[in-house]
Amino acid sequence: LAKTTQPISMDSYEGQEVNITCSHNNIATNDYITWYQQFPSQGPRFIIQGYKTKVTNEVASLFIPADRKSSTLSLPRVSLSDTAVYYCLVANLPNSGGYQKVTFGTGTKLQVIP
Amino acid sequence: GAVVSQHPSRVICKSGTSVKIECRSLDFQATTMFWYRQFPKQSLMLMATSNEGSKATYEQGVEKDKFLINHASLTLSTLTVTSAHPEDSSFYICSATGTGRRYGGNQPQHFGDGTRLSIL
Repeated sequence: LAKTTQPISMDSYEGQEVNITCSHNNIATNDYITWYQQFPSQGPRFIIQGYKTKVTNEVASLFIPADRKSSTLSLPRVSLSDTAVYYCLVANLPNSGGYQKVTFGTGTKLQVIP
Repeated sequence: GAVVSQHPSRVICKSGTSVKIECRSLDFQATTMFWYRQFPKQSLMLMATSNEGSKATYEQGVEKDKFLINHASLTLSTLTVTSAHPEDSSFYICSATGTGRRYGGNQPQHFGDGTRLSIL
């Protein structure tokens, strides 16, 4: 079961690019890396997912080195509304379903400063 | 797409009451549903995993007779907190994974907005 380690908190000024790194040294071959954003009193929201190299969507980029033992979520030009807790999750949840032990780490509390 | 609705959003009730929380996938079929518990300023803790038509798998330390999970269809799972006590007060969150190929070989979880349960 891959555990994850993230910085507990980060501060950034509005308009800057923010990179949050997650370590997952014991990632399994079939595991994917998924990042979520959570606001207070809400459920987490899916941001981006990847297996290797780089993935980009409308809101973020995900960089995964060749050894896959870490990953970096990149948020371009953050705004105040990006203040939230960001979780990286390493898991294999196949289309066929079934039981999966899913363990969320502590997450990174990002505070965007005006 | 991939919307999960959780109801109710907030419950306040007396000790000893049983409370049912519903989790619905609105626009996809949920192969698997997960139930989490989150205490203030802490991370999500997995309580149980359920697949449609089969018994839920509970994590260690979670009483299955206390937290009854039913996953009767591909779009609905329910969590019933039986005879709730103040220590059961928490934020309960469900998530669901689908079967589509949009995400390749791994299905990300899509979360409901949680239920704040307060037992007096």
